[in-house]
Amino acid sequence: GEDVEQSLFLSVREGDSSVINCTYTDSSSTYLYWYKQEPGAGLQLLTYIFSNMDMKQDQRLTVLLNKKDKHLSLRIADTQTGDSAIYFCAEKGARGKLIFGQGTELSVKP
Amino acid sequence: KAGVTQTPRYLIKTRGQQVTLSCSPISGHRSVSWYQQTPGQGLQFLFEYFSETQRNKGNFPGRFSGRQFSNSRSEMNVSTLELGDSALYLCASSYGPGTANEKLFFGSGTQLSVL
Repeated sequence: GEDVEQSLFLSVREGDSSVINCTYTDSSSTYLYWYKQEPGAGLQLLTYIFSNMDMKQDQRLTVLLNKKDKHLSLRIADTQTGDSAIYFCAEKGARGKLIFGQGTELSVKP
Repeated sequence: KAGVTQTPRYLIKTRGQQVTLSCSPISGHRSVSWYQQTPGQGLQFLFEYFSETQRNKGNFPGRFSGRQFSNSRSEMNVSTLELGDSALYLCASSYGPGTANEKLFFGSGTQLSVL
């Protein structure tokens, strides 16, 4: 079946790098996504990666994809307090719908 | 370009009532998806509409229904509300199937509280 898993919490110091990990089960996924949710808000698309890519960089964000292990990670360089939020990994499943992980709550301490 | 608009932002209902939530997609987007978000279950897919037809459906009881209009606006309805229906209901829009990357753009959600 389709399932996406993430660790629930991550705490880092301001200025450090954050790495949020995600595993998924659907090997036919074509695209994988990272979304950010701030309190009281909807989900904001941060970045995405096509399944035939290993890495994608977008300013402070780096996405790494290991398709063999079905492992996706999001690295945020120079993490700021404004990056504190919940981060969701999502895969586009076989039937075209997005399947989300439980979300990782990132806490950035000054 | 305006984003995805959901109304109302907050809603309080009592058990047994019914509720209708509305979603206006980004201009040009023809696909609308609905998700339920709760602290315990996370984000769960409800259904997706494209060109007024339901394209995908999640594992929710028949009390949850939706529809899409010719202008791509969508509504979802929950009948005979239960306490467990309390959640943030999120709507997302995209250009639809057949596009190279169906990026979903989300609204701010409707927070439903069932008392």
